[in-house]
Amino acid sequence: DAKTTQPPSMDCAEGRAANLPCNHSTISGNEYVYWYRQIHSQGPQYIIHGLKNNETNEMASLIITEDRKSSTLILPHATLRDTAVYYCIVVRDYKLSFGAGTTVTVRA
Amino acid sequence: DGGITQSPKYLFRKEGQNVTLSCEQNLNHDAMYWYRQDPGQGLRLIYYSQIVNDFQKGDIAEGYSVSREKKESFPLTVTSAQKNPTAFYLCASSIEPHSNQPQHFGDGTRLSIL
Repeated sequence: DAKTTQPPSMDCAEGRAANLPCNHSTISGNEYVYWYRQIHSQGPQYIIHGLKNNETNEMASLIITEDRKSSTLILPHATLRDTAVYYCIVVRDYKLSFGAGTTVTVRA
Repeated sequence: DGGITQSPKYLFRKEGQNVTLSCEQNLNHDAMYWYRQDPGQGLRLIYYSQIVNDFQKGDIAEGYSVSREKKESFPLTVTSAQKNPTAFYLCASSIEPHSNQPQHFGDGTRLSIL
């Protein structure tokens, strides 16, 4: 599976949009980009995934560049409950593999 | 509500003892998975099951065993052969195996050695 690179941490103001970048320059044509988040001592929570097109659901939007080498997760209106570690992963089959992720801290 | 239930939340094991972690789902998912999460090492796949009465080893199956007698249930036994069992264990399920449907996780069981 392709490796992903994320910044180790970022802060966000409550009520503002949070834009989380992810690089996956070695992604292959049939690999999807997934985003999960994990709050301390809880299981990972699925957020969104996509292949080529931009995707939006009730939690977030996923913007994938045309060359698919990077993507951005957008939390439109961050709340304190969005404070978590966010994982960007590339998945071709069933095996998930989380790296270090981005620790997002939403501040009041 | 539909979801994945793992129990217990915390578990302590004595040296030489086998322990079983429970995972139940009411999502009607065919595929179920067990992962282990250690600090600084991300998530590693222990076992997975695509359908009832079938399961395959993941990357770190040694010292673990599973069964899949019912669609809803996928218990994991940590045997005494597992020399470093202290970790956070996560169970997940997905609609079908080998697809691009997301895996959904339970809230984990934290296992510690006494």
